[in-house]
Amino acid sequence: DAGVIQSPRHEVTEMGQEVTLRCKPISGHNSLFWYRQTMMRGLELLIYFNNNVPIDDSGMPEDRFSAKMPNASFSTLKIQPSEPRDSAVYFCASSVDREGYEKLFFGSGTQLSVL
Amino acid sequence: GNSVTQMEGPVTLSEEAFLTINCTYTATGYPSLFWYVQYPGEGLQLLLKATKADDKGSNKGFEATYRKETTSFHLEKGSVQVSDSAVYFCALISGGYNKLIFGAGTRLAVHP
Repeated sequence: DAGVIQSPRHEVTEMGQEVTLRCKPISGHNSLFWYRQTMMRGLELLIYFNNNVPIDDSGMPEDRFSAKMPNASFSTLKIQPSEPRDSAVYFCASSVDREGYEKLFFGSGTQLSVL
Repeated sequence: GNSVTQMEGPVTLSEEAFLTINCTYTATGYPSLFWYVQYPGEGLQLLLKATKADDKGSNKGFEATYRKETTSFHLEKGSVQVSDSAVYFCALISGGYNKLIFGAGTRLAVHP
C-alpha cells in the first residue's frame, strides 16, 4: 500500500492567494483527519471526516479555511485568502473506524509558507 | 476538556543513556493512551499504546505504563540510540472515530 499521499510536499505562496492542499487516504480507510503543526501550538486537529461526512470542524481556525471530501479517496483543505500566520505543516491522516482503536496513518505533510 | 501535557524539550542525551519523557493527561472516563513518533521530514507513526489502567505498551525498546492514579503515561527507554532522535508525541483518544488529542511534542536529540 502506498500509504496516505499528500500533495504538494511544499507550497510557497503570497499573502492573499488561495491555497489548496490535497490528500489521498489509504484505500479502505473511512476516517480522515486534517492536522496542523506549528512550533507555537504543536499539533492541532482541524477537522475530521467519517464516511466522507464532516464530523467535527471545531478546530478550523476561521472561515478562511474549508475542507471537503467528495469521495472516499480524496480530500482537500483550502485556505482563501491565505495569511502569513497560516504557515505551518499540514498533515492528513486516515484510519479504519470500527470498534476499538485503530491507529492513524499519517501522510508526510505539506509544508506551507505564506509570504 | 480532554488534554495532554508533555515535558518541554529538547531533551539531549548521549547514546546508551536512559530516557524518560513525562506525559500527563486530563480526560473524562478512561481514555486509551498513545505515543507517536515523528522522524525528520516524515509524518507521525504509532510507537505504542495502552488501552486500560496498568497496561504497559512497548515497542522497539520503548515502554510506557498507563497510571490512572497519577493520570500519567511516561515514555521510557533504557538505552537510547542516535536513530531514536525524533519528536515524540503523547496522545489520548477522545470520543469516537479514532479522534486523537496530541500533546505539544518533545524533541529528543541523541549524540554519539
